Amino acid sequence: QQPVQSPQAVILREGEDAVINCSSSKALYSVHWYRQKHGEAPVFLMILLKGGEQKGHDKISASFNEKKQQSSLYLTASQLSYSGTYFCGTEIDTDKLIFGTGTRLQVFP
Amino acid sequence: DVKVTQSSRYLVKRTGEKVFLECVQDMDHENMFWYRQDPGLGLRLIYFSYDVKMKEKGDIPEGYSVSREKKERFSLILESASTNQTSMYLCASSSLTSGADEQYFGPGTRLTVT
Repeated sequence: QQPVQSPQAVILREGEDAVINCSSSKALYSVHWYRQKHGEAPVFLMILLKGGEQKGHDKISASFNEKKQQSSLYLTASQLSYSGTYFCGTEIDTDKLIFGTGTRLQVFP
Repeated sequence: DVKVTQSSRYLVKRTGEKVFLECVQDMDHENMFWYRQDPGLGLRLIYFSYDVKMKEKGDIPEGYSVSREKKERFSLILESASTNQTSMYLCASSSLTSGADEQYFGPGTRLTVT
């Protein structure tokens, strides 16, 4: 039931792009993305809803393929501040999220 | 500024002790959640609550209980702490909408059971 995230880890240089994927075996109402920096609480990035609506971060983009039950997070022209662990949360039951195991992203100068 | 606070950042307890973890939010949110976070396992939902005195089991409720007597406060209780409950515990809250909304997380409590 826990969504599968890939890759598990990514290493980038500043300015490079990355894609993080999230795949569920269940039909989804929505997909949420969070970023957690080391030693800090997870912070909301965005929500992708069935039907195409998105809410959240204006500098990060994502897609949601309802039929494939997959979402991808696109990090373009990465900055040092993008470093952290990214979690997708899938809503398969009302108001309740199931989080993936996380993708660790490190951006170096 | 929105805030979710947790009673302790670090806690050390002995096996068999009863442990209370407290969470308070100041956003008048209806929904509150307790997660545990372990390396390689991500965030796993223990319990959540839609309203005062209401609670729902999450994915790993065994060994835990919760209490929500006031809207702003959600407590996680370990009735008899065991070493396999050593973990980071995160509380979160969100508003009640037609679907899952943005969750605001507290700073976490790192619990060690010896």
